[in-house]
Amino acid sequence: NAGVTQTPKFRILKIGQSMTLQCTQDMNHNYMYWYRQDPGMGLKLIYYSVGAGITDKGEVPNGYNVSRSTTEDFPLRLELAAPSQTSVYFCASSVLGDGAFFGQGTRLTVV
Amino acid sequence: QKEVEQNSGPLSVPEGAIASLNCTYSDRGSQSFFWYRQYSGKSPELIMFIYSNGDKEDGRFTAQLNKASQYVSLLIRDSQPSDSATYLCAVIFEGGSEKLVFGKGTKLTVNP
Repeated sequence: NAGVTQTPKFRILKIGQSMTLQCTQDMNHNYMYWYRQDPGMGLKLIYYSVGAGITDKGEVPNGYNVSRSTTEDFPLRLELAAPSQTSVYFCASSVLGDGAFFGQGTRLTVV
Repeated sequence: QKEVEQNSGPLSVPEGAIASLNCTYSDRGSQSFFWYRQYSGKSPELIMFIYSNGDKEDGRFTAQLNKASQYVSLLIRDSQPSDSATYLCAVIFEGGSEKLVFGKGTKLTVNP
């Protein structure tokens, strides 16, 4: 039982490049979340999903896109990377009303 | 905008003392409240959850919830240096959104 798995763990992007952060969970959780965490700050919600085929914006969705075609997978797409997107990205999953379990994070640097 | 507020700290306590961490939230309809611990460079880890008014104890940790005051707290008794971390309060906001929103966290240092 792997829990929540994120890939890659580290990535350096050039300004204007695009990439997809992968997130997979094997706990059959309906709810999945993407957060970003800037140095010394809390977690800001980017997008979340309450089930396959359903996604919604969080607090800071600009510059990102998501899809949820299966219960297990919730990839985050960055289009036209900007230095402001340098951050640590966390994916999490949960059952409705319960606490979320987090992946190990992806440290992204845009140069 | 629905918000979760925490004292950013840092909070410093001596080993063996009680550490008290506080959190307020803006949505009176919220029903689910969580405390996470995050060590430097690591992902957040769920340590407590509370749904009803009052206290909930788990080992050295006690979560306290007062929905009328929109206030939730975490007490850590007999604090240990290994408790040194950032503590994040999180709330599920109701009203159809089911968003899990975090505060900025309080950094706790326990001094030997």
